[in-house]
Amino acid sequence: AQKVTQAQTEISVVEKEDVTLDCVYETRDTTYYLFWYKQPPSGELVFLIRRNSFDEQNEISGRYSWNFQKSTSSFNFTITASQVVDSAVYFCALSAFSNSGYALNFGKGTSLLVTP
Amino acid sequence: NAGVTQTPKFRILKIGQSMTLQCTQDMNHNYMYWYRQDPGMGLKLIYYSVGAGITDKGEVPNGYNVSRSTTEDFPLRLELAAPSQTSVYFCASGPTVSGANVLTFGAGSRLTVL
Repeated sequence: AQKVTQAQTEISVVEKEDVTLDCVYETRDTTYYLFWYKQPPSGELVFLIRRNSFDEQNEISGRYSWNFQKSTSSFNFTITASQVVDSAVYFCALSAFSNSGYALNFGKGTSLLVTP
Repeated sequence: NAGVTQTPKFRILKIGQSMTLQCTQDMNHNYMYWYRQDPGMGLKLIYYSVGAGITDKGEVPNGYNVSRSTTEDFPLRLELAAPSQTSVYFCASGPTVSGANVLTFGAGSRLTVL
């Protein structure tokens, strides 16, 4: 069975602080993909990153960085120098062969509030 | 490109009424999905389709039906609306048979059942 756990329900930080959103996953598939999506207050889902199970390199994109560790089944997301525009709900998701038609299996999301 | 288009954006239903949420994509994607999002619960898969004429249940299919007569359209039908179906519904599509798919999501349809 596939499972994605985002233990942090809500996080509140002050602008310019760094913040890390945790994601832990479970799967028996050896090939799988991990994703992060952002859902701003307007409600749409915005794709941020995809990582496959064979690529454990960390990735940095501007103020965003992702740390993938297979040994701990984690795919954590760090925002450096947070800004008010980063306020959103962030979802971690997993896709694998045993998922229904490679559907995304989402965590419950972490609501991030960045205050000035 | 329009991407994935969902209609309506908002709808209020009375208990027992029926309605169809429309979803259309113009990217010639084979894979299409319906999710529902409840507060604090993430998105849960209702139904999915791997191509025209082929549909299958996801995690929470009870109370819903789907059809896929064309590649472009994947409507979601609620036959007897119940308050438990109050939610935000997202349609998504993906191009290939692969977990690497980056799904394209519609803007969502907010449904309230009173």
